[in-house]
Amino acid sequence: DGGITQSPKYLFRKEGQNVTLSCEQNLNHDAMYWYRQDPGQGLRLIYYSQIVNDFQKGDIAEGYSVSREKKESFPLTVTSAQKNPTAFYLCASSIDNYEQFFGPGTRLTVL
Amino acid sequence: KQEVTQIPAALSVPEGENLVLNCSFTDSAIYNLQWFRQDPGKGLTSLLLIQSSQREQTSGRLNASLDKSSGRSTLYIAASQPGDSATYLCAVRVVSDYKLSFGAGTTVTVRA
Repeated sequence: DGGITQSPKYLFRKEGQNVTLSCEQNLNHDAMYWYRQDPGQGLRLIYYSQIVNDFQKGDIAEGYSVSREKKESFPLTVTSAQKNPTAFYLCASSIDNYEQFFGPGTRLTVL
Repeated sequence: KQEVTQIPAALSVPEGENLVLNCSFTDSAIYNLQWFRQDPGKGLTSLLLIQSSQREQTSGRLNASLDKSSGRSTLYIAASQPGDSATYLCAVRVVSDYKLSFGAGTTVTVRA
């Protein structure tokens, strides 16, 4: 079954802690994206990657980091520098930056 | 910067009524426009994608139109059902960029 998986579904972070969100796809898509969703707002782009070992900052990259060592995987690290990380995080992928398909999301809460 | 607006923010209709959801955008130099559905606490499901050269796209009870010159897209859902209750998001990709710019969504409730 082809698709995008994200884990964990729920994540809790303590103050000063770095946490990593997983995103894996078996669709053979080249491009992958990370978005943040806050209540009542549209999704905002954090980072995107068009090919392996290359990625670009989106609109709200401060306090986040990513890597793209494999085509299938695009993990997102929320660092302690991100002062307001509580949100719903969504990963997406696409072929040649065409139609985007989304994973089920990870809800991050700061304790 | 592309701004995407969806009005109204919420909509409640009786079952069987046709739904009309609106999306407006400020930069008409778009590459494509996508409509998504999101259920509470879930990811986004792609419903329809309209290329900039197209005027409309249809899938089952769903029809989306695009008017680039006026910066508008409309999603029509015929004969609504309680299962259509969800938040519907519009997203636009401009020619010069890879990212999608999203509206805040319209939350639809279909009453049985």
